[in-house]
Amino acid sequence: QSALTQPRSVSGSPGQSVTISCTGNSDVGGYNFVSWYQQNPGKAPKLMIYDVSKRPSGVPDRFSGSKSGNTASLTISGLQAEDEADYYCCSFAGSYTVVFGGGTKLTVL
Amino acid sequence: QITLKESGPTLVKPTQTLTLTCTFSGFSLSTSGVGVGWIRQPPGRALEWLALIYWDDDKGYSPSLKSRLTVTKDTSKNQVVLTLTNMDPVDTATYFCAHRLGAYFDYWGQGTLVTVSS
Repeated sequence: QSALTQPRSVSGSPGQSVTISCTGNSDVGGYNFVSWYQQNPGKAPKLMIYDVSKRPSGVPDRFSGSKSGNTASLTISGLQAEDEADYYCCSFAGSYTVVFGGGTKLTVL
Repeated sequence: QITLKESGPTLVKPTQTLTLTCTFSGFSLSTSGVGVGWIRQPPGRALEWLALIYWDDDKGYSPSLKSRLTVTKDTSKNQVVLTLTNMDPVDTATYFCAHRLGAYFDYWGQGTLVTVSS
């Protein structure tokens, strides 16, 4: 079970859109159980997207998720300074196991 | 309101066994579909999933750490306990517990930093 592959960093200017990819194998591709977490320094992760594309209550609709084959994506539109954080994808991997991605640092220029 | 809090030693010696307790409120681990997971994060590094335990006592472990991990629950005390044997400096990390409903972690504890050093 290898970690899901994410770009180490992405950046964008305020108002722009950025997309973070998350590539796996039979984990991401085999189940519609991808979730995304935002983590600020020194804080616990926060759930932003679950079941590939669903948003928990309170998460702005600027955050959206999708999946194609073995790659899931998190898109943040209308980028804001407060979106600068680390983002992690996570997938169910079968047999009560879970795998996280390596994390992506989002910089708002 | 769901809350979780991790507790345990902040410093352990190499080869010792780490025992962490997750004490939660706002939900019951006897409710169908509910689980608690453990995730860790070495300083400056990525999240790593460790273990899961569900309401029906089904469990899952990270394949790479399975031989060293044990997770148990005490439903009456609203606690989940994680043990990790044969600690090594590379196990230095912040350890989080989190509520799991379906296939996601929607509530997280604040985390507890465990340092492994002689």
